[in-house]
Amino acid sequence: GQQVMQIPQYQHVQEGEDFTTYCNSSTTLSNIQWYKQRPGGHPVFLIQLVKSGEVKKQKRLTFQFGEAKKNSSLHITATQTTDVGTYFCAALNTGFQKLVFGTGTRLLVSP
Amino acid sequence: ETGVTQTPRHLVMGMTNKKSLKCEQHLGHNAMYWYKQSAKKPLELMFVYSLEERVENNSVPSRFSPECPNSSHLFLHLHTLQPEDSALYLCASSRRTDTQYFGPGTRLTVL
Repeated sequence: GQQVMQIPQYQHVQEGEDFTTYCNSSTTLSNIQWYKQRPGGHPVFLIQLVKSGEVKKQKRLTFQFGEAKKNSSLHITATQTTDVGTYFCAALNTGFQKLVFGTGTRLLVSP
Repeated sequence: ETGVTQTPRHLVMGMTNKKSLKCEQHLGHNAMYWYKQSAKKPLELMFVYSLEERVENNSVPSRFSPECPNSSHLFLHLHTLQPEDSALYLCASSRRTDTQYFGPGTRLTVL
């Protein structure tokens, strides 16, 4: 079945450093969604990308969808302690109306 | 966020017990999902209900039994669970292929 891999699995940065997580699929995606899960919390939707090469920004977060629509990235500029959590990408399987979640990247930010 | 609620938030049960998890969504969505999240694995999709019909059963053991009496409510009936079933069980809802909204989850411990 469809698999979505994320790297790295874990990253520990100092506050103010940048952070990037990458999402890769074995198949071409119709769209990709990103979610954030704070420690002890539940996944919360951040953004959806649909078009090839699309780039969207939310304050310090930049989301990109690859030209071939097989990969995506989330970049955080100048991390803050509030960015701590696990970031998941999720690809939509339109045939079964379900999201296939990536393995997640856990981000730890030290003050 | 109160769009998707789950009860109980924490549950401890023995292997011979029978218990049920409840999920309720107040967003007017027509699809509901059960996910399992454990420390060692990413989000695992268990069941998908669309318009109250089960459209996906992701090879889940029969000791987990879902029920969707209407588009706003989803249950997960548990019986004779194993310690390895201890995990965070997340409910989510969506409008067809749209963004998924997650509940806070039920932290289940099987003794």
